[in-house]
Amino acid sequence: GAVVSQHPSWVICKSGTSVKIECRSLDFQATTMFWYRQFPKQSLMLMATSNEGSKATYEQGVEKDKFLINHASLTLSTLTVTSAHPEDSSFYICSASGGISTDTQYFGPGTRLTVL
Amino acid sequence: AQRVTQPEKLLSVFKGAPVELKCNYSYSGSPELFWYVQYSRQRLQLLLRHISRESIKGFTADLNKGETSFHLKKPFAQEEDSAMYYCALDSGGYNKLIFGAGTRLAVHP
Repeated sequence: GAVVSQHPSWVICKSGTSVKIECRSLDFQATTMFWYRQFPKQSLMLMATSNEGSKATYEQGVEKDKFLINHASLTLSTLTVTSAHPEDSSFYICSASGGISTDTQYFGPGTRLTVL
Repeated sequence: AQRVTQPEKLLSVFKGAPVELKCNYSYSGSPELFWYVQYSRQRLQLLLRHISRESIKGFTADLNKGETSFHLKKPFAQEEDSAMYYCALDSGGYNKLIFGAGTRLAVHP
């Protein structure tokens, strides 16, 4: 149980385009979803926290207009990287908490974004 | 400032040897600490948390508030323990995790 999926697993796009990454909780209702970013050989950095039906809370230094987060249902959150640039290339990981164990985060497999 | 420090990027041991992965934290309140593990080509998963005081796969971790540490230990390492280990701090109890840089454990036969 407690499986989180991400789609796509990898994406390559041209500079200036927008990319949407989906995060789904497959077998539980995720009241809270988290988006992280991981640069090569570095740790996960929390970008934002989203609760179903409300606006996401962004961490300091994360541009909310650049990284649009939508958490429209208890099983789906999306991260849209708008007008992507090469410096946005990174590994994006989502996690979800909810169900029986609300204080445990279950992580998705991550999405590798490469912006050319 | 809230911070998690894992001083070792790589820890290399032989099978059967004891293992200690170090984690130190900086937090003014009452911390809630976790160890996450990422095996090769798999997603990050929770290994253990300090409030549970449990042993998972032979690993234990004790919170030492005096030394602000939460080191992960196992008396006899196995090859299947080879993975990336991350120490994490829940800052403020809102389930917002601050991760350390991670330590890669390599267990050799």
